[in-house]
Amino acid sequence: GENVEQHPSTLSVQEGDSAVIKCTYSDSASNYFPWYKQELGKRPQLIIDIRSNVGEKKDQRIAVTLNKTAKHFSLHITETQPEDSAVYFCAASMAGGGADGLTFGKGTHLIIQP
Amino acid sequence: DTAVSQTPKYLVTQMGNDKSIKCEQNLGHDTMYWYKQDSKKFLKIMFSYNNKELIINETVPNRFSPKSPDKAHLNLHINSLELGDSAVYFCASSQGYQPQHFGDGTRLSIL
Repeated sequence: GENVEQHPSTLSVQEGDSAVIKCTYSDSASNYFPWYKQELGKRPQLIIDIRSNVGEKKDQRIAVTLNKTAKHFSLHITETQPEDSAVYFCAASMAGGGADGLTFGKGTHLIIQP
Repeated sequence: DTAVSQTPKYLVTQMGNDKSIKCEQNLGHDTMYWYKQDSKKFLKIMFSYNNKELIINETVPNRFSPKSPDKAHLNLHINSLELGDSAVYFCASSQGYQPQHFGDGTRLSIL
C-alpha cells in the first residue's frame, strides 16, 4: 500500500518568513495530493490540493508543488502569520481520494514566532 | 449547518464495553470514511463505504464494525473496548473526485 513520509516534524519560523514542508510518497499510482491544516482540538481542514496532471498550484500565500518523477510534493507558505500556527498534514491517494481513503503523513507542527 | 456531524463529541467508557459513534453528512456525498487519530496525531484510514461497498483497512481489528443505514450515515460500532482504542475518531465524506470533508471528531477515552 501507499506510504507517505513528511518532514520536518516540527518547524519554527519567524513571522513574515516562508515555511516549506516536504512529503514523499511510494505508490506511483497515487494521483491526488491534498494538504490539511489542523488546529488544536479541531478537525483537519483542506487548505490546498493538487492532482498529478499539474506541477504547481497557488492560492494566495499558499502553494503546492509536485514532482511525479521523484514522488515528492511540497507545501510553501509565504509571509507567515500567527494564525498559520497549526499541524499540517500531507496525504496521497488514487482517484481523487476515492474509496481507498487518504494515506496521511505524520504531520508537521508549524510554529510562527512573533 | 455542519456538513459532516458526529455524535457524541466526547465518549468516556470502561474497558470491555461496547459503544457506537454516529456520523451524518448533508452534502449528498456518495462515499464516507472513518479515520483514527492516535495520541501522536497520526491519522489513519479505517474504513470507506461507497454505494454499499465496504473497504476495510487490514490493520483494523474485527471488533470495529461500520454500519451504514443509508447513504448519508455511517456509524462505527466498537465491541470489547481496549485501552489502545483511546483516540479521536473522525468521520469524513467525499463525492467522486472532490476533496474529503471531515467531521469535528469524537474523542474516545477508555478507563
